[in-house]
Amino acid sequence: GAGVSQSPSNKVTEKGKDVELRCDPISGHTALYWYRQSLGQGLEFLIYFQGNSAPDKSGLPSDRFSAERTGGSVSTLTIQRTQQEDSAVYLCASSWDAGGGGETQYFGPGTRLLVL
Amino acid sequence: GEDVEQSLFLSVREGDSSVINCTYTDSSSTYLYWYKQEPGAGLQLLTYIFSNMDMKQDQRLTVLLNKKDKHLSLRIADTQTGDSAIYFCAETAPNTGGFKTIFGAGTRLFVKA
Repeated sequence: GAGVSQSPSNKVTEKGKDVELRCDPISGHTALYWYRQSLGQGLEFLIYFQGNSAPDKSGLPSDRFSAERTGGSVSTLTIQRTQQEDSAVYLCASSWDAGGGGETQYFGPGTRLLVL
Repeated sequence: GEDVEQSLFLSVREGDSSVINCTYTDSSSTYLYWYKQEPGAGLQLLTYIFSNMDMKQDQRLTVLLNKKDKHLSLRIADTQTGDSAIYFCAETAPNTGGFKTIFGAGTRLFVKA
């Protein structure tokens, strides 16, 4: 596609429910990133994929958070037993990851998650 | 660890120049970026500069890099109300498993008509 797409654009859920957020990167981009942006805050790095593997999971805030990427393309971020503090905008980005400017990340529009 | 810092707010009058400043700590940075985020939207890449450059100009945008002081700035000439947004500074540096990009907290630019 022309850019990074994310779905859903908005999600309202009840505390304790599981949610799945989807990211579709730019075609051909091998690297994919998930970030979280709480209201009025900067970006918090969650996880990075190179192909289907995740060399850096250091940012996942708890074991309720997991992510996978299959086929080197689409990624899903799953939050189990959601808590109110999980409410945030979840941003996905992708890059060529080839060096020489390939690290430039292009962002999707985000998924706004509200946990009631 | 690595850190990127920016001032949180900047207010300018329409037509004036805006200068948004950023400092970073990782001396192995390869690229430094400026992203713009408008309300309710994702981050839009504005411009980037390679670490061996000290200046890059793109229309109304001028990026200055002082690698010795690890200081990056973004100058917006003839600031317009449409420039009101949050501007994020970011740096990319080699890391185990590839590379890592660290973002600042963002500078909220208010443009007064």
